[in-house]
Amino acid sequence: EIVMTQSPATLSVFPGERATLSCRASQSVSSTLAWYQQIPGQAPRLLIYDASTRATGIPARFSGSGSGPEFTLTISSLQSEDFAVYYCQQYNDWPPIFGQGTKLEIK
Amino acid sequence: QVQLVESGGGVVQPGRSLRLSCAASGFSFSNYGMHWVRQAPGKGLEWVAVISFDGNNKFYADSVKGRFTISRDNSKNTLYLQMNSLRAEDTAVYYCAKDPLLRYLFDYWGQGTLVTVSS
Repeated sequence: EIVMTQSPATLSVFPGERATLSCRASQSVSSTLAWYQQIPGQAPRLLIYDASTRATGIPARFSGSGSGPEFTLTISSLQSEDFAVYYCQQYNDWPPIFGQGTKLEIK
Repeated sequence: QVQLVESGGGVVQPGRSLRLSCAASGFSFSNYGMHWVRQAPGKGLEWVAVISFDGNNKFYADSVKGRFTISRDNSKNTLYLQMNSLRAEDTAVYYCAKDPLLRYLFDYWGQGTLVTVSS
């Protein structure tokens, strides 16, 4: 079973600044990697799939990159509504596995 | 717009059963695979089960295999999760989620329903 490791566990950033979140797979997952945002008390929301494709309605400030084992989610200019927990998920191998999450908090 | 609304959660004793439902609207339910994903309190996300668009194919996480059964009624646009022999470690918010292409990718989620297994 693939292990997904996200770093850092918590990231503190000022509004308006850039945030960079990392996700590493224990083996290559090609580009079959998704990112989700979860605001406390709400359901997850799909942001990025296939490593770099934004889902419907997702603002352009969210971008994904990477392939194989290493992936990055970048939020170019943080808005107040972006402070949340972010999960990566691989869907190259069965079963689908999520990372443990990165909490993005206001500095 | 796509809407998924879960129901059926509650407090149940260990060893007992519970059935969750997920009512879908805003898309052609019978054309899409559907999943259940759960989240224990304060923890991350764990995939639970998937069912194909026609209900003919079902797969489960090892942690629930043999105890949980996923099913669907396309005439009612509803997804189900029958949970038997519940354990304390099954305590979680259970989300239903739509899969755009049966790729084990989740493009829309319900708001979740909380299941608490406790004596």
